[in-house]
Amino acid sequence: AQTVTQSQPEMSVQEAETVTLSCTYDTSESNYYLFWYKQPPSRQMILVIRQEAYKQQNATENRFSVNFQKAAKSFSLKISDSQLGDTAMYFCAFSNRDDKIIFGKGTRLHILP
Amino acid sequence: EAGVVQSPRYKIIEKKQPVAFWCNPISGHNTLYWYRQNLGQGPELLIRYENEEAVDDSQLPKDRFSAERLKGVDSTLKIQPAELGDSAVYLCASRTRQENTGELFFGEGSRLTVL
Repeated sequence: AQTVTQSQPEMSVQEAETVTLSCTYDTSESNYYLFWYKQPPSRQMILVIRQEAYKQQNATENRFSVNFQKAAKSFSLKISDSQLGDTAMYFCAFSNRDDKIIFGKGTRLHILP
Repeated sequence: EAGVVQSPRYKIIEKKQPVAFWCNPISGHNTLYWYRQNLGQGPELLIRYENEEAVDDSQLPKDRFSAERLKGVDSTLKIQPAELGDSAVYLCASRTRQENTGELFFGEGSRLTVL
């Protein structure tokens, strides 16, 4: 069975700093998707960034980038030039080819002014 | 384009009462998910539909929970009777296979408080 582990329950950084959120996963499959979702205090979950396992190049979306290490089953999220609006819960998620999607327990990120 | 719509946003009930949540997914999205999210935790899958068929309900507590997705569009999740431990946010999400991006689109959730 697939598992997703986020080892940092809570983090705080100063505005404009760079922060990295960790995620590891376990699967025996070779083709899958990995995601980072953001859930602001208003609660609606939105996609931050997506990585397809067969792509070696790390995904990047503006200030957000990932470090995907397939052999190590690691998928960290880097937020550069952090902003107050980045304050939220961040969830790492795994999706296999059968559309089963599982989430980690989340990391609560506080961006401090 | 309208997003995933859920109702009610908030519901407070006494234990042993029934409760129902409704979800309208994004038009054209054939896959629909119900998740339960406890406070400070990640979403946990309850049931997944492909069109009107429940293809994964292994985590649904079937003694008190039921769900349906008639005509493969809207879906209803019911709890009867509710227990104190059912207090959580119930999230609905949908996606389409056509775009093959894997992205889930979430509703705002229905927060249930059982007293």
